[in-house]
Amino acid sequence: QKEVEQNSGPLSVPEGAIASLNCTYSDRVSQSFFWYRQYSGKSPELIMSIYSNGDKEDGRFTAQLNKASQYVSLLIRDSQPSDSATYLCAVINNAGNMLTFGGGTRLMVKP
Amino acid sequence: DAGVTQSPTHLIKTRGQHVTLRCSPISGHKSVSWYQQVLGQGPQFIFQYYEKEERGRGNFPDRFSARQFPNYSSELNVNALLLGDSALYLCASSPRTAPGGYTFGSGTRLTVV
Repeated sequence: QKEVEQNSGPLSVPEGAIASLNCTYSDRVSQSFFWYRQYSGKSPELIMSIYSNGDKEDGRFTAQLNKASQYVSLLIRDSQPSDSATYLCAVINNAGNMLTFGGGTRLMVKP
Repeated sequence: DAGVTQSPTHLIKTRGQHVTLRCSPISGHKSVSWYQQVLGQGPQFIFQYYEKEERGRGNFPDRFSARQFPNYSSELNVNALLLGDSALYLCASSPRTAPGGYTFGSGTRLTVV
């Protein structure tokens, strides 16, 4: 079992819709979680971090964490074509020195 | 402020050769990490350095090595290149060993032929 799992997609949503991206992780003691956005041919860009159970909102983005279910999600409201990218879920280890990434979900927002 | 800078941006090498990739962290950041991203996959952790000491090593062969200099810049070295080493090599910078989130450089695209 992979440590961090994501559906590879592609996830296709129409412009203006809500995109829902999901991630599960295997290490129950994980404490810190991150969402990165990666445009084709570019490097990952940090868009959200979440450390506590519940929701965290930042503009059109909402990260959700459920430690009991070992589940992290990212909601993108009012999706725009510019949101089309690969979204990477990442978990940091207890030593705080290593990020483990999922394989990424490719999101396509159609005008 | 300059972000994380990596050089070169692209590189083509032949199997068996050696390569050195370079990274300069954000000013004030003392931690540098290296990740390998094969096409279609998420980045995989190679090394982390903090204050010039190795603080973490991923599951990579001994052909991979790195070091950090007094100015906190870093080099990643790969010996005896294999075709499978073709990937995007990412350098990440953070203020300390327990990051609240890494800032990645634009990466070095290595192609081994």
